[in-house]
Amino acid sequence: RKEVEQDPGPFNVPEGATVAFNCTYSNSASQSFFWYRQDCRKEPKLLMSVYSSGNEDGRFTAQLNRASQYISLLIRDSKLSDSATYLCVVKSYNFNKFYFGSGTKLNVKP
Amino acid sequence: DGGITQSPKYLFRKEGQNVTLSCEQNLNHDAMYWYRQDPGQGLRLIYYSQIVNDFQKGDIAEGYSVSREKKESFPLTVTSAQKNPTAFYLCASSNPGQGLGTEAFFGQGTRLTVV
Repeated sequence: RKEVEQDPGPFNVPEGATVAFNCTYSNSASQSFFWYRQDCRKEPKLLMSVYSSGNEDGRFTAQLNRASQYISLLIRDSKLSDSATYLCVVKSYNFNKFYFGSGTKLNVKP
Repeated sequence: DGGITQSPKYLFRKEGQNVTLSCEQNLNHDAMYWYRQDPGQGLRLIYYSQIVNDFQKGDIAEGYSVSREKKESFPLTVTSAQKNPTAFYLCASSNPGQGLGTEAFFGQGTRLTVV
């Protein structure tokens, strides 16, 4: 079983739509959680960390449910520039290792 | 500016050759990582190092080797034993521990092609 599971998509949405991505992780010892954005043929870049109480950064909202081992990312008012692959990432308590989901591809259409 | 520099950006290797990918960081991070990404796939961990002069195998270490002689440098050698080395290689670094400021920072990657 993979450490981090994501729906690969693609999610095809019109501009202005609200879209949500989900992610599950298997290791309950995971302590830190992140969403990264990766554009085609580029390196991943941190979109936002995910805090236990949930957090928001502009149009982006992240939620964590430790009991269900579930992380979500909500994007409101989608822009064309949001088109990318979104990676769910967990960091283990032991060994400082990061575990990456395979990514969810988002296509925002005009 | 602080960051991670990978070089070269593109690399072509003949079959049977060893090649070394460079990764340098000036973020003063203790931990460094090498990942491999194949088209349409996620990142897979090759090797990681939590401190100078120490490193551990990741999930797909066969055919690769690393060294960590300096805090800022973590070069990856792709040996001839790696049967399918064509991929996008990403180096990352982080502060140890959990919470704010411990995320992974990535270099721009090296795209390796076997010819």
